[in-house]
Amino acid sequence: AQSVTQLGSHVSVSEGALVLLRCNYSSSVPPYLFWYVQYPNQGLQLLLKYTSAATLVKGINGFEAEFKKSETSFHLTKPSAHMSDAAEYFCAVRRQGAQKLVFGQGTRLTINP
Amino acid sequence: EAGVTQFPSHSVIEKGQTVTLRCDPISGHDNLYWYRRVMGKEIKFLLHFVKESKQDESGMPNNRFLAERTGGTYSTLKVQPAELEDSGVYFCASSLGQSPYEQYFGPGTRLTVT
Repeated sequence: AQSVTQLGSHVSVSEGALVLLRCNYSSSVPPYLFWYVQYPNQGLQLLLKYTSAATLVKGINGFEAEFKKSETSFHLTKPSAHMSDAAEYFCAVRRQGAQKLVFGQGTRLTINP
Repeated sequence: EAGVTQFPSHSVIEKGQTVTLRCDPISGHDNLYWYRRVMGKEIKFLLHFVKESKQDESGMPNNRFLAERTGGTYSTLKVQPAELEDSGVYFCASSLGQSPYEQYFGPGTRLTVT
C-alpha cells in the first residue's frame, strides 16, 4: 500500500528565509505526486504536481518541488518566505491509473516577521 | 465558475444523532470524491463517484456511512448514528475526468460529535 510521510507537523521560518517542507513516499512504481495548500477557512488548493515529466516542478506562488526517485522524495521549497505563505501544506500521491489520493499528515507552516 | 461547495460548514451533533453533509461539485464534473480528516491524522479517501455510480467505496469506514449522488449532480454523505470518532473535517472534491485530471476540493464540513 502506498504511504506518504511528511517530516515535521509544524515548521516555522522567518519572512524572507528559505522554506523547505519534506515529503517521502513509499511506492514500488513512481506515482503521481502532489502538493496541496490549505489556507484558513478554505479548501485544499493544488500547488503543483509531478506526473512523470520534468523532475523539477514549478507551481504557483513561487513554490517548486523536485522528484527524486532514488530518495523517494518530493520536497517542497520556496526561496523566500512571505507572510501570506502561512498555511497547512499536504503532500499526496496517486498511483498511476488510480483515482484516490493518499495524503501525508500535513505540515503547518508559520512565518515569523 | 463556482468551485466545489459544501454545506454545512460546521455541524455539532450528539452521539447517536443523524447528520447529512452535502457537496455540490463544479458544474460538468462527473467525478466526485469524499475524503475525511480526523483530528491530528491524515486526510483519508472515503469514496469516489462517477456520475451517479460508486466507482470505489473502499475507504468507507463502516455501514453507518451512506453516500448518494442521485442524478449525478450533488452528493450527500449521511452518518447514522453518529459516533464520537466520526468527528473531523469532511472534504469533497470533483474532477472533470479521471486520472490525471486535477481534483478540486471544497472548503470542508467540520463535524463535531459530542
